[in-house]
Amino acid sequence: DAKTTQPTSMDCAEGRAANLPCNHSTISGNEYVYWYRQIHSQGPQYIIHGLKNNETNEMASLIITEDRKSSTLILPHATLRDTAVYYCIFQRDDYKLSFGAGTTVTVRA
Amino acid sequence: NAGVMQNPRHLVRRRGQEARLRCSPMKGHSHVYWYRQLPEEGLKFMVYLQKENIIDESGMPKERFSAEFPKEGPSILRIQQVVRGDSAAYFCASSPRASGGRTYEQYFGPGTRLTVT
Repeated sequence: DAKTTQPTSMDCAEGRAANLPCNHSTISGNEYVYWYRQIHSQGPQYIIHGLKNNETNEMASLIITEDRKSSTLILPHATLRDTAVYYCIFQRDDYKLSFGAGTTVTVRA
Repeated sequence: NAGVMQNPRHLVRRRGQEARLRCSPMKGHSHVYWYRQLPEEGLKFMVYLQKENIIDESGMPKERFSAEFPKEGPSILRIQQVVRGDSAAYFCASSPRASGGRTYEQYFGPGTRLTVT
């Protein structure tokens, strides 16, 4: 399995930016970094992905370091509904998603 | 634009009965995946299907479990003679056609929570 390292948990104040780090030092050149999240009792939700360049969509921004060994997911204005477990994975041809422990993010009012 | 739909959302079966779980992928998506999540555990891949074809069923238990994605209608995950250990959340995901060897992001449904009594 492709391995990533994420902090176990983090808290964030509502309305503030949440910065979620992920280390993926064994990523190869053609593998993409993907982020998903799972809110309690719901299905996983795709957030964003990237290869080399930073990416932004309506949900989040993804910053990938130049050496591609780590990345940061940024939720620009966290809300209570962003409380979830966030998973960072990297993949190219493998459709079998496998999430590690992820980061449990708790957004507090 | 409707997302991935699954039904039923909750299903209760007695041991030995059959469970049928349905999944309608997002419009325009031709790839369907089924995953199982046991209580307090991670997501486990079960099977990958395209219309009328099983592409990869390496995660499916060898007995009692089957899946199909017919030309018309939803994908079906079928569990025969259910046992208590089958109690879990079953998630379906879909993705658009892959190109250039890259697998696109997967969009998940809300899941079916199966309880076997």
